Amino acid sequence: DGGITQSPKYLFRKEGQNVTLSCEQNLNHDAMYWYRQDPGQGLRLIYYSQIVNDFQKGDIAEGYSVSREKKESFPLTVTSAQKNPTAFYLCASSYPTGSNTGELFFGEGSRLTVL
Amino acid sequence: QQQVKQSPQSLIVQKGGISIINCAYENTAFDYFPWYQQFPGKGPALLIAIRPDVSEKKEGRFTISFNKSAKQFSLHIMDSQPGDSATYFCAASGGNNRKLIWGLGTSLAVNP
Repeated sequence: DGGITQSPKYLFRKEGQNVTLSCEQNLNHDAMYWYRQDPGQGLRLIYYSQIVNDFQKGDIAEGYSVSREKKESFPLTVTSAQKNPTAFYLCASSYPTGSNTGELFFGEGSRLTVL
Repeated sequence: QQQVKQSPQSLIVQKGGISIINCAYENTAFDYFPWYQQFPGKGPALLIAIRPDVSEKKEGRFTISFNKSAKQFSLHIMDSQPGDSATYFCAASGGNNRKLIWGLGTSLAVNP
């Protein structure tokens, strides 16, 4: 089955620790995205990548980093510099690049809790 | 600056009733207006989408109504069912950037 796989589904982290969230897709999509979801705040774009080895900051990139070494993979690192990292993180992909109609395919999310 | 304003924030409807969620946008370059449905603990999924060349699009019990002059679009869920209980997001994109701009979401509860 084609889709987007996020792992882990739940993650607990101590303050001051970096954590990496995995996102893998087998949809052959060019573009991938990371969103953060907090209650009442909708979906906020962290980073996005339209092609391999290239990515752009979204609206709330501070304290986060990404890489896009393979078309299928777009991991997100939540660094210790992120002031309020506890949230639900969503990875998405879309196709094709350059004519994005906005149709995004989402994973099931990773819930990060900082203790 | 929120470019897509969604209302209401929450909505309670009786089974069989009509659920109506409204969105308003500012950017006249927007030319694609999708609605996403999200169940608790899951990622959103595309429900239905419309482009401004039509004023209405219907898929089953779900209808988008679009008013270009008023810069508003709405989602109507006919014969609402408890299984429709979810959070609904409107969004818009267009222009050179084509980045999807999201509303803040509406939590819908359909009582049995």
